[in-house]
Formats: sequence, structure tokens, C-alpha cells
Amino acid sequence: DAGVIQSPRHEVTEMGQEVTLRCKPISGHDYLFWYRQTMMRGLELLIYFNNNVPIDDSGMPEDRFSAKMPNASFSTLKIQPSEPRDSAVYFCASSYPRSGDYNEQFFGPGTRLTVL
Amino acid sequence: AQKVTQAQTEISVVEKEDVTLDCVYETRDTTYYLFWYKQPPSGELVFLIRRNSFDEQNEISGRYSWNFQKSTSSFNFTITASQVVDSAVYFCALIMDSNYQLIWGAGTKLIIKP
Repeated sequence: DAGVIQSPRHEVTEMGQEVTLRCKPISGHDYLFWYRQTMMRGLELLIYFNNNVPIDDSGMPEDRFSAKMPNASFSTLKIQPSEPRDSAVYFCASSYPRSGDYNEQFFGPGTRLTVL
Repeated sequence: AQKVTQAQTEISVVEKEDVTLDCVYETRDTTYYLFWYKQPPSGELVFLIRRNSFDEQNEISGRYSWNFQKSTSSFNFTITASQVVDSAVYFCALIMDSNYQLIWGAGTKLIIKP
């Protein structure tokens, strides 16, 4: 079975440009998470969805960041305009909690974003 | 407040030594879940184990073992006979029953020298 798929794996862009990161969760998983990892702040949850609906976006740093999940098999994280401080590794994860339990989150390989 | 503390920032041992990574958590919830993840140099995050708060049984998986003690709010991870391939950053994380968000520790960088 395919795991969580993210694209692109690496992205280098210039300040001010729009960046779109993509994620395909594991089939059947109804929770999807977007994380950012930096040396300074570690792993931060940006936003998560349940059944394609955003549940908590309190971790989104500012209005330049937006996320969508148009269907159960696809999500995007967009940064517009990008800034050098957005440089980080962005992870997507998915999960399928069983009733009364919390399953582990399965992570994609990450997208390494560099904003010059 | 919910918090996960991994006090060891970096550990370096020689191959074949045993090593224990510490994890201490804080939560007021009575139902919660603890996790360990591994992040090798290649960067992916690999799930290792999940434990719920009602199951204090220790677990062993090959060279890996986990010691969960509610009395000390700890969920420590031991690697026996370490190998160079164990070199990675290891994260401990917590989910409370009341809030479906992973609370992450800062991670422990483990270096296994040949």
C-alpha cells in the first residue's frame, strides 16, 4: 500500500512567489494534518482536517498561509507571498482513528522548502 | 498544561552499547496516548509505538523496548545492543483524549559510533 505522498520533495523559490505544496493521504484515512519543522521551533501543527473539513487552523502562522482539502484524496498548503522565514520542511500526515482510540499518524516524506 | 519533555538533547554511544531515551509528559487528562517516532538522517518520520494511558504493560520489539510508568509520567525508550543504523532523532509525543493534536517533545538526537 502506498503511504502518504507529498509533492514536490524539494522546492526553491524566491521571496514573494506563490508556493503550493501537495499531499495525498493514505486511502481510507479521514484525518489529515499539515506540520512544519524547523530547527528553531521543532515540529508545529499548522492545520488539520477531518472528512475534508478544517477542524483547527490555529497553528497557521498568518494569512499568507492557506490550506484546502477538496476531496478525501488530496490536500494543498499554499503560501502567498512566500518569505525567507517560511523555509522549512513541511510534512503531511494522515490517520484513521478507530472508535475510542487514537491511531498513529503516518507521515509523508516531507517537502523541503527554501525561500531565497 | 500539556507538555512533553525530552531532556536529552543529544546522546552519543559506541555501537553495541545499550541506550535509554527519556520522555516525561504532563497532562491532566486521564485518557491519553503516547507515541515514539524516529527521524533518520533521510528526514522521514517513522512511527515506532503507541501506548494508551490504561495500558502500563511494557513492550519489547526486537532490540527496542519501552517502559511506561504513570507514577512518574514517563515513557522511556531503550535500544539494546545499538547499531549505527539506529542513529536518528527520536521524538516522544502525546495526544489527550480531549484534543486530537500531537504534543511533541523536542527530540533526542542519537549518535551511534562504529
